[in-house]
Amino acid sequence: GQQVMQIPQYQHVQEGEDFTTYCNSSTTLSNIQWYKQRPGGHPVFLIQLVKSGEVKKQKRLTFQFGEAKKNSSLHITATQTTDVGTYFCAGEGYQKVTFGTGTKLQVIP
Amino acid sequence: DAGITQSPRHKVTETGTPVTLRCHQTENHRYMYWYRQDPGHGLRLIHYSYGVKDTDKGEVSDGYSVSRSKTEDFLLTLESATSSQTSVYFCAISESGWSAISTDTQYFGPGTRLTVL
Repeated sequence: GQQVMQIPQYQHVQEGEDFTTYCNSSTTLSNIQWYKQRPGGHPVFLIQLVKSGEVKKQKRLTFQFGEAKKNSSLHITATQTTDVGTYFCAGEGYQKVTFGTGTKLQVIP
Repeated sequence: DAGITQSPRHKVTETGTPVTLRCHQTENHRYMYWYRQDPGHGLRLIHYSYGVKDTDKGEVSDGYSVSRSKTEDFLLTLESATSSQTSVYFCAISESGWSAISTDTQYFGPGTRLTVL
């Protein structure tokens, strides 16, 4: 069945450093979505990627969808304490959506 | 935040008892979902609905049933709760389903923390 692996599981960074989380699917995806969940909160939609090789930016966040549509990444430039939380990818395959296990980001002031 | 509420927000119950969780939306969205979130597993889809009285199973549907008699309400029932169903349950809504290629958004409710002793 479809599996979506997300690495790393945890990441501690000093404020101002960059951060990247990677999402890898065992099958080709039709699209992928990214969510952020603050501690004690609920997932909040960030973005959806659909096209092969697509790159989208939201301020300090850069999202990429691989050429083969089997992997994706989220890169945060110059992290801030407000970036703290868990970042999830969710990949849609054939009539099935699978969430990654998430990357928990801690930012040290 | 989208107009989604979940009730109760916290519940402690005993093994073998029935439990019903409620999700209520004011957005008139067609699709509604129930997920459970557990450490190391991320979010897993339990059931979803694509309209009134139209529901389907997700990847972890065993031990759960759902009902949707009105657009705004989606109920999740644990007929006989077990300790393995201790989890945080999230409801989500979307205007269109997962196959949409538009930048449709899924909105999540605040969650229900369920403990089964």
